[in-house]
Amino acid sequence: NAGVMQNPRHLVRRRGQEARLRCSPMKGHSHVYWYRQLPEEGLKFMVYLQKENIIDESGMPKERFSAEFPKEGPSILRIQQVVRGDSAAYFCASSPLQGGQPQHFGDGTRLSIL
Amino acid sequence: KQEVTQIPAALSVPEGENLVLNCSFTDSAIYNLQWFRQDPGKGLTSLLLIQSSQREQTSGRLNASLDKSSGRSTLYIAASQPGDSATYLCAVRRSNAGNMLTFGGGTRLMVKP
Repeated sequence: NAGVMQNPRHLVRRRGQEARLRCSPMKGHSHVYWYRQLPEEGLKFMVYLQKENIIDESGMPKERFSAEFPKEGPSILRIQQVVRGDSAAYFCASSPLQGGQPQHFGDGTRLSIL
Repeated sequence: KQEVTQIPAALSVPEGENLVLNCSFTDSAIYNLQWFRQDPGKGLTSLLLIQSSQREQTSGRLNASLDKSSGRSTLYIAASQPGDSATYLCAVRRSNAGNMLTFGGGTRLMVKP
């Protein structure tokens, strides 16, 4: 009964490169959320997705960031042309139903930008 | 805009003490409130979830209460142990803001043997 799986656990990129973060939700969960935890700051919501749909992306920067949750395969958070300020821990959570049920979190991907 | 505040930001206690962590939120129109534990370099572990219609939830040595009208929740940890050392986060889901959680800044707890 695997939990939320995120990979890679650690990712190092140079400025200007692309970063791809993957999240496989818990079995039976169709809702995925991405959060970012900047150094010495709390977790901030980025985007909420269901299969093939972005429900709410109000917390995601307008440029360079995109997210998808295809019909098959994991959810992907993509950051283009990374900058030093993108260095953070990115967490994915999933839940089986909208509201009511607790969100279960993965161990996160720690992104470091050189 | 919902804001969640946790006090204290850090807490150090000797083993065996009972302790209370506080969480306050500015908008009382919440759907539920969730308490998490985060160990260094790790993800979040869900501890307790309280629906807006509930007053408290208990799990083992943990008890969480919710006073929605005053915008407060407390996490009570009985007979603290060194293994309880971690950062504790509270998060609220607003009724009218989709399904995302708004997090507090956390309380870093150190339980000394």
